[in-house]
Amino acid sequence: DTGVSQDPRHKITKRGQNVTFRCDPISEHNRLYWYRQTLGQGPEFLTYFQNEAQLEKSRLLSDRFSAERPKGSFSTLEIQRTEQGDSAMYLCASHFVGGPSTDTQYFGPGTRLTVL
Amino acid sequence: DQQVKQNSPSLSVQEGRISILNCDYTNSMFDYFLWYKKYPAEGPTFLISISSIKDKNEDGRFTVFLNKSAKHLSLHIVPSQPGDSAVYFCAASEYNFNKFYFGSGTKLNVKP
Repeated sequence: DTGVSQDPRHKITKRGQNVTFRCDPISEHNRLYWYRQTLGQGPEFLTYFQNEAQLEKSRLLSDRFSAERPKGSFSTLEIQRTEQGDSAMYLCASHFVGGPSTDTQYFGPGTRLTVL
Repeated sequence: DQQVKQNSPSLSVQEGRISILNCDYTNSMFDYFLWYKKYPAEGPTFLISISSIKDKNEDGRFTVFLNKSAKHLSLHIVPSQPGDSAVYFCAASEYNFNKFYFGSGTKLNVKP
């Protein structure tokens, strides 16, 4: 399976703890996006990477959130001092942009975070 | 500010009939539009896309129509099948694909 993968699929944590999620994109995709989705809403953009460079961050991404894509391949999203409002589905997507044909954006299965 | 809106939270259709899902947007700079299908506990699955230079794109049972003057797009599914029952999201991006904006989704139920 060469799709986007995310790990873990589910995470339950206590308020105040730190959590880290991983995303492995489709290998030839140069763009990687993180989204957050809450119940009854569509995915909300958090940030994106072009190769290893983080080029844009949403205002939703508070100082407690940090994302990295160290070698332009997999990415991690860390949430420090989690709050109950952080409970959501965190989705990763990848996309190839550039060249004569631009592929579309493909999503991983998501990590469901529950903060108690 | 919600730049992409899906005003119908749910839609129920009989098997074999046409399903029409609607989406409106406000940003005239949007250049690329997509529809995704989502089952519970899974990530959204890409369905079909259209660029702003076209007004229609067809893929099998799925057709997307774009009306730029009205800032409106729609997804037609013909004929609808029970397996099409899912939440459908429309999304839009400017030409640089830096951000994708999603609607809140329409839950489609296709009754056998």
